Amino acid sequence: KAGVTQTPRYLIKTRGQQVTLSCSPISGHRSVSWYQQTPGQGLQFLFEYFSETQRNKGNFPGRFSGRQFSNSRSEMNVSTLELGDSALYLCASSLRRGGDVNTEAFFGQGTRLTVV
Amino acid sequence: LAKTTQPISMDSYEGQEVNITCSHNNIATNDYITWYQQFPSQGPRFIIQGYKTKVTNEVASLFIPADRKSSTLSLPRVSLSDTAVYYCLVGAFGGGGNKLTFGTGTQLKVEL
Repeated sequence: KAGVTQTPRYLIKTRGQQVTLSCSPISGHRSVSWYQQTPGQGLQFLFEYFSETQRNKGNFPGRFSGRQFSNSRSEMNVSTLELGDSALYLCASSLRRGGDVNTEAFFGQGTRLTVV
Repeated sequence: LAKTTQPISMDSYEGQEVNITCSHNNIATNDYITWYQQFPSQGPRFIIQGYKTKVTNEVASLFIPADRKSSTLSLPRVSLSDTAVYYCLVGAFGGGGNKLTFGTGTQLKVEL
């Protein structure tokens, strides 16, 4: 089956602009999580969506937002970009059933965002 | 969420067994232990998950002592392609949500 697809793979933006990243989860997966990876901070959790609702949120400013559509595809938006937002943004999908244990999260290749 | 501590780096040679230990002293009763592998500019890839004792799959084994305050990922007969960063994660899945907390990871370097 197809894996997690993130688009675009690479992006260059200017400070102050906004950006939207897209994530298509594995078919049948209803949970989508977003992560930011930088050399200094490592992998940090941004937020998780399930059934079009945000279920968990990490410690990021309100400039970082997201949403999930009825087909489980998710978008992440960053407004008023700062140089420090340059990072690899990763999306992960998992098969979440209420009360069950998920065995693993499948990650996409990520979107490399560079803010200049 | 339980904090994890791993060695920053490890070196090995092809064909050797590699054991990476992770400490998680404040692991909660319903926490599982999961290991991921990450290559540069790629997303992490699930390796193995366990709750207690020993778990084995086709690529690795996971040893968890009775007190569950540490765990050891064992990679048998490593090859050059196993050079990657390995992350130990502790957390509850399912009802706890999919909020994965990654530590600094262990950079494994395999040489000929």
